[in-house]
Amino acid sequence: QKEVEQNSGPLSVPEGAIASLNCTYSDRGSQSFFWYRQYSGKSPELIMFIYSNGDKEDGRFTAQLNKASQYVSLLIRDSQPSDSATYLCAGAMDTGRRALTFGSGTRLQVQP
Amino acid sequence: GAGVSQSPSNKVTEKGKDVELRCDPISGHTALYWYRQSLGQGLEFLIYFQGNSAPDKSGLPSDRFSAERTGGSVSTLTIQRTQQEDSAVYLCASSLNAAGTGDQPQHFGDGTRLSIL
Repeated sequence: QKEVEQNSGPLSVPEGAIASLNCTYSDRGSQSFFWYRQYSGKSPELIMFIYSNGDKEDGRFTAQLNKASQYVSLLIRDSQPSDSATYLCAGAMDTGRRALTFGSGTRLQVQP
Repeated sequence: GAGVSQSPSNKVTEKGKDVELRCDPISGHTALYWYRQSLGQGLEFLIYFQGNSAPDKSGLPSDRFSAERTGGSVSTLTIQRTQQEDSAVYLCASSLNAAGTGDQPQHFGDGTRLSIL
């Protein structure tokens, strides 16, 4: 089992809808989680990070963390075609490793 | 510069040659990370530096891979006797300090696209 799991997609939503991206993780000691957006051929770009249970909002983006259920989600409100990209979930695992453990990413397609 | 800088942006070389990839982190960032990303895949951790030391080398796939960091700044990833399976995008990231707290995210460079013929 991978340490960070994501549905590869593609997830297709119409413009203006809410896109919901989910991620589960296996290490209960994980402390912090990060969402990166990666356009094709480009490097990952940090969207949000979250380390407390609950919701964290930043503009059109809301990250949600539920440590009891070991899942993290990213909601994108009022989705735009420019949001079409691969979204990578990453966790800072409490295993002594300081690097991030990444999921394989979910490809989001926002249809105009 | 303001961001993480990597060079070269593209590298094509023949199987068996050695290659050197360079990363210049954001000024003041003490932690530096190397990852690689194969086509359509997620990021695979290679090695992490805190200052000039590498507490975690567990991701290096073989002894053909090595990395160093000098002056707490620039890092070089070296791949000796390259193989075709080494073809990937090699990404470098830096953070103020080691990841593990929410206010120290990693910021990525644009990567080096390595192609082994």
